[in-house]
Amino acid sequence: GAGVSQSPSNKVTEKGKDVELRCDPISGHTALYWYRQSLGQGLEFLIYFQGNSAPDKSGLPSDRFSAERTGGSVSTLTIQRTQQEDSAVYLCASSLALSSSYGYTFGSGTRLTVV
Amino acid sequence: KQEVTQIPAALSVPEGENLVLNCSFTDSAIYNLQWFRQDPGKGLTSLLLIQSSQREQTSGRLNASLDKSSGRSTLYIAASQPGDSATYLCAVRMDSSYKLIFGSGTRLLVRP
Repeated sequence: GAGVSQSPSNKVTEKGKDVELRCDPISGHTALYWYRQSLGQGLEFLIYFQGNSAPDKSGLPSDRFSAERTGGSVSTLTIQRTQQEDSAVYLCASSLALSSSYGYTFGSGTRLTVV
Repeated sequence: KQEVTQIPAALSVPEGENLVLNCSFTDSAIYNLQWFRQDPGKGLTSLLLIQSSQREQTSGRLNASLDKSSGRSTLYIAASQPGDSATYLCAVRMDSSYKLIFGSGTRLLVRP
């Protein structure tokens, strides 16, 4: 596609429910990244993918968070048993390759609200 | 641990003014530095990318400089316009990692 597409754009969920956030990167981009932007805080790294593998999961806040990528394209970030502190904007980005000197292209994000 | 700081946190200027946004980082072992713009409720738009071996990059009214040894980057906006109002974020990528480390941003308001 022309840009990084994320869905849904907004999600309101009840505490304790599971949610899935989707990211569709730019066609041909092998590297994909997830970041989180919480109110009053900066952007924090969650996880990145090279192809379908995730070499660095160090940013995932807890074992309730998981992510996968299939076919070297679409990625889903799953949050199980959501908590109120999970409320944030979840941003996805892609780049041509991990070692590329090209920058990142970000999607518009998914705003998650846990009530 | 790399820390990225942006000063000022907020800036309000009249239209037409030239302005400078500052970004500093504590660890000079960076691979590149990228400036982004974020409009309210939106994602990030990439403005300029500077590789560690470069000193500056220009795009239209924007000019970004990088002084790796002193751990500083500046984003210069010439002849500011109300449409430039947004939050500007700088982010560094380290030599040893593929993730970006962001500053907390500068919220810019350009008054008509």
